[in-house]
Amino acid sequence: QVQLQESGPGLVKPSETLSLTCTVSGGSMNNYYWAWIRLPPGKGLEWIGYMFYRGSSNYNPSLKSRVSMSVDTSKPQFSLKLTSVTAADTAVYYCARVADAAFYFDFWGPGTLVTVSS
Amino acid sequence: DIVMTQSPDSLAVSLGERATINCKSSQTVLHYSNNRRYLAWYQHKPGQPPKLLLDWASMRQSGVPDRFSGSGSGTDFTLTISSLQAEDVAVYYCQQYYSSPYTFGQGTKLEIK
Repeated sequence: QVQLQESGPGLVKPSETLSLTCTVSGGSMNNYYWAWIRLPPGKGLEWIGYMFYRGSSNYNPSLKSRVSMSVDTSKPQFSLKLTSVTAADTAVYYCARVADAAFYFDFWGPGTLVTVSS
Repeated sequence: DIVMTQSPDSLAVSLGERATINCKSSQTVLHYSNNRRYLAWYQHKPGQPPKLLLDWASMRQSGVPDRFSGSGSGTDFTLTISSLQAEDVAVYYCQQYYSSPYTFGQGTKLEIK
């Protein structure tokens, strides 16, 4: 069974770049899309974007100007970068696998809390 | 963007009773080319990641108890728990995957009365 684990700093200063990595185990990254989703405190889930294992991507337009993702199937990991963060980017960040049939999410990491504060 | 609106925001149900959560999309998520409803339901317990319960509006994932069921048409959907158990306390989200950006409802918090 596929397992995912997020890693990265839990505290990021305003205007800096949030960087997270998701390590995949128990299955291949090949032929799947891999996604990031976040849960701000007191709010609902927000899809950030996804990347195909070969590198094509699709980002939420609300974040598109600040988001980039990358994938390294040899590690196997995929990563998220979010630039120019503000307090509004404080959230639990989840990495997830996109189901093979359509764009919902069948396996999730446990999540990591990222706080934006000086 | 397709806006997903859930009701109610919170719900308290007695053990063994039925719980019903509604999800409404701002436009259809029914693909007429294949007659499939592009809607998923997730269960989110504190300290855990969201868990996929149902896809295609009504298809239970492996291991999900049959007390969970989903129904609905192009824009109005329902998640029903037929006999609430203590372990069902969670926040429930619907998600549309009909079109990007893929959007979630705001969540419904389910508690025991």
